[in-house]
Amino acid sequence: GAVVSQHPSRVICKSGTSVKIECRSLDFQATTMFWYRQFPKQSLMLMATSNEGSKATYEQGVEKDKFLINHASLTLSTLTVTSAHPEDSSFYICSARYRDNSPLHFGNGTRLTVT
Amino acid sequence: GQQVMQIPQYQHVQEGEDFTTYCNSSTTLSNIQWYKQRPGGHPVFLIQLVKSGEVKKQKRLTFQFGEAKKNSSLHITATQTTDVGTYFCAGNKKAAVNKLTFGGGTRVLVKP
Repeated sequence: GAVVSQHPSRVICKSGTSVKIECRSLDFQATTMFWYRQFPKQSLMLMATSNEGSKATYEQGVEKDKFLINHASLTLSTLTVTSAHPEDSSFYICSARYRDNSPLHFGNGTRLTVT
Repeated sequence: GQQVMQIPQYQHVQEGEDFTTYCNSSTTLSNIQWYKQRPGGHPVFLIQLVKSGEVKKQKRLTFQFGEAKKNSSLHITATQTTDVGTYFCAGNKKAAVNKLTFGGGTRVLVKP
């Protein structure tokens, strides 16, 4: 089946530093990748939609300069949390699909803790 | 904007019993998908429903898509401890097929 790899699984960083999270589709080409944020015991909040070779589309209220998304190829998207602050601590999950309306395949998620 | 609501938010079930979780959209959907997230894990795709009134079964799980394509349900029979987790429905709005909106999820706890 379709596999999406997300790295790192956990990261602890100091306030003010930047953190990069990678999301790779291992056995299929993902036309679209999505980045979600999930707070404890809550649903998935879509942050942005990433299409290969074009700028990401950010959801309302998500700062594009803070959450930089790069979709360099059909198998790789990265999310960089810039100048991280404790309130950015959360569970970030990427997902990928190979065409519109096809199911999403999620990465294992990255638990970010900003101290 | 589009909203997808799920009820109940929490479901405590005795092992062996049945239960149903419901998903309602404020707008007509092109399709609906269901995912399961185990505690500490990531969402895993269960099924996709596309047709009005469609019913699909996966062993003890029965999924239904409403006639108006605005609601869906998941019914689990003879609940087992392995059913523990959060079940999310997610819908693609007809006019925005690239955007999947997730419901709030139903958190299922099973009492042995």
